[in-house]
Amino acid sequence: GESVGLHLPTLSVQEGDNSIINCAYSNSASDYFIWYKQESGKGPQFIIDIRSNMDKRQGQRVTVLLNKTVKHLSLQIAATQPGDSAVYFCAENVSSASKIIFGSGTRLSIRP
Amino acid sequence: KAGVTQTPRYLIKTRGQQVTLSCSPISGHRSVSWYQQTPGQGLQFLFEYFSETQRNKGNFPGRFSGRQFSNSRSEMNVSTLELGDSALYLCASSQDRGSTGELFFGEGSRLTVL
Repeated sequence: GESVGLHLPTLSVQEGDNSIINCAYSNSASDYFIWYKQESGKGPQFIIDIRSNMDKRQGQRVTVLLNKTVKHLSLQIAATQPGDSAVYFCAENVSSASKIIFGSGTRLSIRP
Repeated sequence: KAGVTQTPRYLIKTRGQQVTLSCSPISGHRSVSWYQQTPGQGLQFLFEYFSETQRNKGNFPGRFSGRQFSNSRSEMNVSTLELGDSALYLCASSQDRGSTGELFFGEGSRLTVL
């Protein structure tokens, strides 16, 4: 079946360092790949997305890389801050199927 | 512009009961999706509605149902509740699911089944 998985369930990073969160996906038909951030007690919040015909996209302090050859997606957060502490989900949008599939999430914690 | 509103935020039910959860999408958004989130799990897709029509559904039993009204507001219903139905139920809206896939989530309805 369709699935989006994450390599690591938790990630601890020193404040100020860069964070890299990885994700594997299985559906080659996905049109977009998206990263969401979920803080405690809140719903997920959109961070950045990337179209399937791109391999890199940059936002403010975040970069998403897509490797379709190995079906791998990553989120890089530059200069990680305490406010980045959250669970991060990757997701894939299969627009022809009209649904978005989420991964199981990675918890990012920041060490002072 | 107001965000996605879900009610109730918290509720407790007992096994065998049924529950109805409500979601008001962002004004102008016509697509509403529902997800179930359990501790330690990701978000499991329940179903998606667009213009009052269910366009897709996930792998959940028939006890889980939903609908969308003409004003795009949506409800989901779970009948004959089981302990395993305890979860955070998240609603998300978007203008059209044929776009990039950016969903706007509400804060969820936390259901506890005793």
